[in-house]
Amino acid sequence: ETGVTQSPTHLIKTRGQQVTLRCSSQSGHNTVSWYQQALGQGPQFIFQYYREEENGRGNFPPRFSGLQFPNYSSELNVNALELDDSALYLCASSLAGQGRGMTEAFFGQGTRLTVV
Amino acid sequence: LAKTTQPISMDSYEGQEVNITCSHNNIATNDYITWYQQFPSQGPRFIIQGYKTKVTNEVASLFIPADRKSSTLSLPRVSLSDTAVYYCLVGDSLGGGNKLVFGAGTILRVKS
Repeated sequence: ETGVTQSPTHLIKTRGQQVTLRCSSQSGHNTVSWYQQALGQGPQFIFQYYREEENGRGNFPPRFSGLQFPNYSSELNVNALELDDSALYLCASSLAGQGRGMTEAFFGQGTRLTVV
Repeated sequence: LAKTTQPISMDSYEGQEVNITCSHNNIATNDYITWYQQFPSQGPRFIIQGYKTKVTNEVASLFIPADRKSSTLSLPRVSLSDTAVYYCLVGDSLGGGNKLVFGAGTILRVKS
């Protein structure tokens, strides 16, 4: 149990629709990152939010967008869904500003998105 | 961020020690080495992190040679529940936050 909760756990959407995924970060953490994990592959970094500002983005198109709220919870929004967007979407919270080292990231259980 | 290379899969038996080696030839001076474990349909879970020499915690040991171009995760006396994917990552959090770069990982299968 990491203290990071994601909702919903499973979701089915139609191609072209929009989806919002939610993440509640672990208490005391100020950074939230989102990852996309296709079947059989490692998680791919989408973007990160630190104190409500985007703090880095992976190789994902602008139709992937996000928000971080004052309580450090976060949303991932995907517009114009494509079949290839079907994946496990993972949220990870961490405490930035530690300086050296990669501070431990705590992942949620993920949201399984299926686009049909 | 440095790229890592790991074996695609490994098989072991219950009670054995398992060593998974990761190559990271381009590791930077500020980079740490971190290992995560992932079970199917769950998020990755932090196992261990180190910078040099040896680090040990309650679940694993991490061996890092002086040149830091590789590292070995050691799991003592594995059980069936250790069957999972293991990821080796290198990087630092300078500039704020982790932007973890995962490779394909190593699938560890523990048999009875």
